[in-house]
Amino acid sequence: DTAVSQTPKYLVTQMGNDKSIKCEQNLGHDTMYWYKQDSKKFLKIMFSYNNKELIINETVPNRFSPKSPDKAHLNLHINSLELGDSAVYFCASSLPTGVGATNEKLFFGSGTQLSVL
Amino acid sequence: GQNIDQPTEMTATEGAIVQINCTYQTSGFNGLFWYQQHAGEAPTFLSYNVLDGLEEKGRFSSFLSRSKGYSYLLLKELQMKDSASYLCAVHNFNKFYFGSGTKLNVKP
Repeated sequence: DTAVSQTPKYLVTQMGNDKSIKCEQNLGHDTMYWYKQDSKKFLKIMFSYNNKELIINETVPNRFSPKSPDKAHLNLHINSLELGDSAVYFCASSLPTGVGATNEKLFFGSGTQLSVL
Repeated sequence: GQNIDQPTEMTATEGAIVQINCTYQTSGFNGLFWYQQHAGEAPTFLSYNVLDGLEEKGRFSSFLSRSKGYSYLLLKELQMKDSASYLCAVHNFNKFYFGSGTKLNVKP
């Protein structure tokens, strides 16, 4: 199936631990993102990579470190987890083709629900 | 800053028409997107406007007025499966800024 897939779907861990979330897309898109959706359902961009290069870093604590080994993968590593990191993390990809192009729509992964205890 | 406002929750009856409004104030604008998100699932693309006017796609239509910073999503012939959150998002220089979403409850 062509899709954006991320693992794990659920992640329950203790404060202070380090964890990773993996994301892969086989849509041939150039750009990948990490979004965080909090309890109030706001979706906020965290990072964006275009062809393995970081293009957006939205004032995210440096405990969060994205890594893109190739344009089809974007992983998120989180150090020293805190209670406030509990949220749903969505990976997404898009195929930017210029300003105003409908192809720039986002395709989302199924989300990773992170619970920090 | 970026500010996108939507009503928090709406209720409508199966078979009816509902309009979900979105107002925005952003430093730039490349287009306005609507996404649907069922509980516990990922958002999925519904519609897109870059020019003023109405875009129709089956039971769903979306309207944009750039001068007013206003958009709406119109859902016709509501079905129970339309119960979901509807997210308005402004696309601006490689970033999407999302509203908090409108939770739509469709009742029989």
